[in-house]
Amino acid sequence: DGGITQSPKYLFRKEGQNVTLSCEQNLNHDAMYWYRQDPGQGLRLIYYSQIVNDFQKGDIAEGYSVSREKKESFPLTVTSAQKNPTAFYLCASSIEGGTGAEKLFFGSGTQLSVL
Amino acid sequence: RKEVEQDPGPFNVPEGATVAFNCTYSNSASQSFFWYRQDCRKEPKLLMSVYSSGNEDGRFTAQLNRASQYISLLIRDSKLSDSATYLCVVNLGFSGGYNKLIFGAGTRLAVHP
Repeated sequence: DGGITQSPKYLFRKEGQNVTLSCEQNLNHDAMYWYRQDPGQGLRLIYYSQIVNDFQKGDIAEGYSVSREKKESFPLTVTSAQKNPTAFYLCASSIEGGTGAEKLFFGSGTQLSVL
Repeated sequence: RKEVEQDPGPFNVPEGATVAFNCTYSNSASQSFFWYRQDCRKEPKLLMSVYSSGNEDGRFTAQLNRASQYISLLIRDSKLSDSATYLCVVNLGFSGGYNKLIFGAGTRLAVHP
């Protein structure tokens, strides 16, 4: 079955540590996204990528980094510069451009907490 | 003012009830609209797109009022399995290489026996 796989489901970060969240898709979608969800708030865009080897900052990119070396994979690193990393992180993908591109398919999410 | 506002709820309703959610948006240039459903600590899933003419999918009806800048979702004959958080999503359009989607914080629905 096609879909998006995020891992791990739960992740704990120590002070000063970088952690990486995995996102893999086999939907053959060009566009991939990372969102952050906090209680009582809507999803906020961290980074997005339209194509391999290209990515752009979203609304809240500070303290995060990404790479897009393969079409299927879009890992997110939460760096020590992100002072409030506790949140639910969602990876998504869509077809690139045109009608339908606004419809997102989400992974099951990673809950990141600070120790 | 938030770009997309929803009543957080929770809406507690008995099985079989009809319940309606509203969502208001601030940008009059918004181009398309969606309702997503999200179960607790799981991924959002697209429930339905919202069209100006209104659209229906089984027990679910979505309406868009561009003049007043709100969209609504009506659920008839509520089932226990409808218990979830419903996210209103507004697409501001394709710019900078992607569709800029604005997510509401969600309205929580709890259906009880």
